[in-house]
Amino acid sequence: EAQVTQNPRYLITVTGKKLTVTCSQNMNHEYMSWYRQDPGLGLRQIYYSMNVEVTDKGDVPEGYKVSRKEKRNFPLILESPSPNQTSLYFCASSSYNSPLHFGNGTRLTVT
Amino acid sequence: DQQVKQNSPSLSVQEGRISILNCDYTNSMFDYFLWYKKYPAEGPTFLISISSIKDKNEDGRFTVFLNKSAKHLSLHIVPSQPGDSAVYFCAAGGTSYGKLTFGQGTILTVHP
Repeated sequence: EAQVTQNPRYLITVTGKKLTVTCSQNMNHEYMSWYRQDPGLGLRQIYYSMNVEVTDKGDVPEGYKVSRKEKRNFPLILESPSPNQTSLYFCASSSYNSPLHFGNGTRLTVT
Repeated sequence: DQQVKQNSPSLSVQEGRISILNCDYTNSMFDYFLWYKKYPAEGPTFLISISSIKDKNEDGRFTVFLNKSAKHLSLHIVPSQPGDSAVYFCAAGGTSYGKLTFGQGTILTVHP
């Protein structure tokens, strides 16, 4: 089954404790991206990657890091999480000129 | 600066009637537009799209209309069904491939 898999689905952590949210797709898509969803703000792009070893900032990249060492994986790293990064996070992938295919989300709470 | 806006946070419609969801954008460089649907505890799923060279695209019960001069697009669902109850996001993309900008979302509730 074609899918984008994010882990974990739920995560509660404390301020400053580094964490990684994993994202993997099995569709051989070139393009991958991370979004966060917040009430009243919709989906905002954090980072995206056009292909292996190619990443670029989205609209809200501060406080996040990404890497794209393999085509299928695109982890999101929070080096020092803060409460304002409490949000619902979505990973997405697509091939060129096709619609984004989203994962089921990771709900992160930073206390 | 919100480049894509959905000004109605929610919409309530009776089953069988038409649902009209609206979206406005400010960036004239956007050249394709999409609608996504999102159920609770799931990721958004693609619904329908339209490129800037068209003014209408239809797929079954779903039709998207684009008015470039007004920088406005709308999604029509006819007839509406209770299973259509979800959050709907409009999104816009331009020449920078992959850089989709989303609106805030509209919660659609279809009553039986």
